[in-house]
Amino acid sequence: GESVGLHLPTLSVQEGDNSIINCAYSNSASDYFIWYKQESGKGPQFIIDIRSNMDKRQGQRVTVLLNKTVKHLSLQIAATQPGDSAVYFCAENMILTGGGNKLTFGTGTQLKVEL
Amino acid sequence: KAGVTQTPRYLIKTRGQQVTLSCSPISGHRSVSWYQQTPGQGLQFLFEYFSETQRNKGNFPGRFSGRQFSNSRSEMNVSTLELGDSALYLCASSPDRANSPLHFGNGTRLTVT
Repeated sequence: GESVGLHLPTLSVQEGDNSIINCAYSNSASDYFIWYKQESGKGPQFIIDIRSNMDKRQGQRVTVLLNKTVKHLSLQIAATQPGDSAVYFCAENMILTGGGNKLTFGTGTQLKVEL
Repeated sequence: KAGVTQTPRYLIKTRGQQVTLSCSPISGHRSVSWYQQTPGQGLQFLFEYFSETQRNKGNFPGRFSGRQFSNSRSEMNVSTLELGDSALYLCASSPDRANSPLHFGNGTRLTVT
C-alpha cells in the first residue's frame, strides 16, 4: 500500500517577528525535555533543555516553557531570522531501567521565515 | 571539540544485502544511541550502547544490530535489507549523566532499491 508521510505542521513567520512552537508530550513521568533544530541534510541540533522542576528557561533568543499540568512544552524564538528556518522537534527523556536515556520525539514543526 | 561523526554519508544498497554504518562519538562520551528517521514514522529509537554493551533496545527486528568498541566508537548493522529500511540513520552520543542532552551526527542516508 501507499506509504503516507507524517504531515508536519508548518509555522510561517515574518523575519523579525517572534515564533512560538508548541508540543504536547505523553508521559507524565518524564522529567527532562529537549528542543532540537534540524536543518535539511543535517542531524538534530540541540537548542535548549528544561528539567521538570522548572517551568521556564531562557537561552540566547530562545525560551522554553513547560506546563506539566497539561503536558505541554513551547519554544519561543525572539526576532526570528532566516537562519532559523528548519524543523523543530521536542523530545521527552525517559530514564530506562537498565540505565541510560531514551528520547521520544514529537512529529516536528516546520518553521519557515519569510523575508 | 569535534562533534559526532557518521560514515558514510550516503549508501545505496539492494534488497537482501547487508550494511554496516559507523559512528564516532564526541570525545569523552561513553553512551552511543542510534535512531532511525523516516517521513512515515519520524525519529524512532533503535538501541543504546554503553561500555561495549547494548544497554537498551527499541522495537526493531533482529535484523538490526550493533556493537560498541572500547574507544566508544559504534557500528550498526542491518542484514537482509528491505525497501522499508530506507531511512536516515542517526547516531547520538552523551556523557551518560542525568539530564544530559544527546548530541547527534548528521546521519547516514540509506537507500534500498
